[in-house]
Amino acid sequence: QITLKESGPTLVKPTQTLTLTCTFSGFSLSTSGVGVGWIRQPPGKALEWLALIYWDDDKRYSPSLKSRLTITKDTSKNQVVLTMTNMDPVDTATYYCAHSRVGWAVAGSWAFDIWGQGTMVTVSS
Amino acid sequence: QSALTQPASVSGSPGQSITISCTGTSSDVGGYNYVSWYQQHPGKAPKLMIYDVSNRPSGVSNRFSGSKSGNTASLTISGLQAEDEADYYCSSYTSSSTLVFGTGTKVTVL
Repeated sequence: QITLKESGPTLVKPTQTLTLTCTFSGFSLSTSGVGVGWIRQPPGKALEWLALIYWDDDKRYSPSLKSRLTITKDTSKNQVVLTMTNMDPVDTATYYCAHSRVGWAVAGSWAFDIWGQGTMVTVSS
Repeated sequence: QSALTQPASVSGSPGQSITISCTGTSSDVGGYNYVSWYQQHPGKAPKLMIYDVSNRPSGVSNRFSGSKSGNTASLTISGLQAEDEADYYCSSYTSSSTLVFGTGTKVTVL
């Protein structure tokens, strides 16, 4: 059974750096064709894809946020970490991590089949 | 990249069928069969309903179906039930090797 859980601060100040951790179980991020992504959702608004890290350490970022995001993995700890610099009140949102298969001709590629419960982050001074 | 375009809201009576559209470009929806659909109830995490344009994950009702024509993907819910009232989002792989979500559609069961 695959599970994911996000953790991190609930409140950050403007200009600070946000660090979120996704701790997962039921799969290994060293297995070919596996990926973990981050998605956020401001209150009352739509989902927004942020980043995706592949089993082979390939990384993809949202073009509009690429300069502010870094995604890394610690395979031994079953964790994926997302950092976002220069936080602003508009970054207030629920942040989700999710499991995905990745790769050409792999069924379900780039679809997030299992999601964490999400963690709410408020940016305010 | 711009968000995929969905209607803000769609409604239907119990038992009816509704269709939600998801319009992109030849660089995303039109260029790849990696379109997925998610259902989100208030306060809950999204749930994958359709992947690879038209495939249902195990456990998802066969009342949900997906299709694609050109740059527009569609999600159809047949035999609408009260429990289907939720927000729905599409997503697609893009030519930039990134992902993009749709603007979201609120489904109301009358």
